[in-house]
Amino acid sequence: QQQVKQSPQSLIVQKGGISIINCAYENTAFDYFPWYQQFPGKGPALLIAIRPDVSEKKEGRFTISFNKSAKQFSLHIMDSQPGDSATYFCAAYTGRRALTFGSGTRLQVQP
Amino acid sequence: GAGVSQSPSNKVTEKGKDVELRCDPISGHTALYWYRQSLGQGLEFLIYFQGNSAPDKSGLPSDRFSAERTGGSVSTLTIQRTQQEDSAVYLCASSLGATAEAFFGQGTRLTVV
Repeated sequence: QQQVKQSPQSLIVQKGGISIINCAYENTAFDYFPWYQQFPGKGPALLIAIRPDVSEKKEGRFTISFNKSAKQFSLHIMDSQPGDSATYFCAAYTGRRALTFGSGTRLQVQP
Repeated sequence: GAGVSQSPSNKVTEKGKDVELRCDPISGHTALYWYRQSLGQGLEFLIYFQGNSAPDKSGLPSDRFSAERTGGSVSTLTIQRTQQEDSAVYLCASSLGATAEAFFGQGTRLTVV
């Protein structure tokens, strides 16, 4: 119930392409869905987040799409750049427990 | 401080020794989290403190692990009788409260030899 399943495990995208990372959850009590970006040797940092009352949120080149009925959400990185190469984690939160993280996706954007 | 501070940044210890990892959260943040990240792996939840509520210890992997948070601020994660499988990066995060952005420290890399 507390799991968040993330795919793919790794992703290689050409510069300028679209990176798509998917997550699915079971617990309908989750009410906050952030994405974190982690560079090697650093702690994760919040990238963008969404609540289940909206279906999409866009910030610059980063977009979260949220499908409440399917209990799925995804991160789209438009015009991917080599500087976007990092590990991305989706997460979900209920307010009663700590953030539950997906297993992570290692993104490599090739120049 | 400006962010979440963790110390030490690196710790090498011998198997069987006890270690203490420290986390200084952002001032005023009521929620504090500890996670463990093994090499190339995801974030494994360990323990969660929220205000004056009883901590959620459901993620602690064994009774060798414990954590406390003094005065609602600094937290210490203690691992007793360390084992090689405890080697990982231990990450601390804090947030203002429910559904607020969690800010992570840089982590403590623990190596048990």
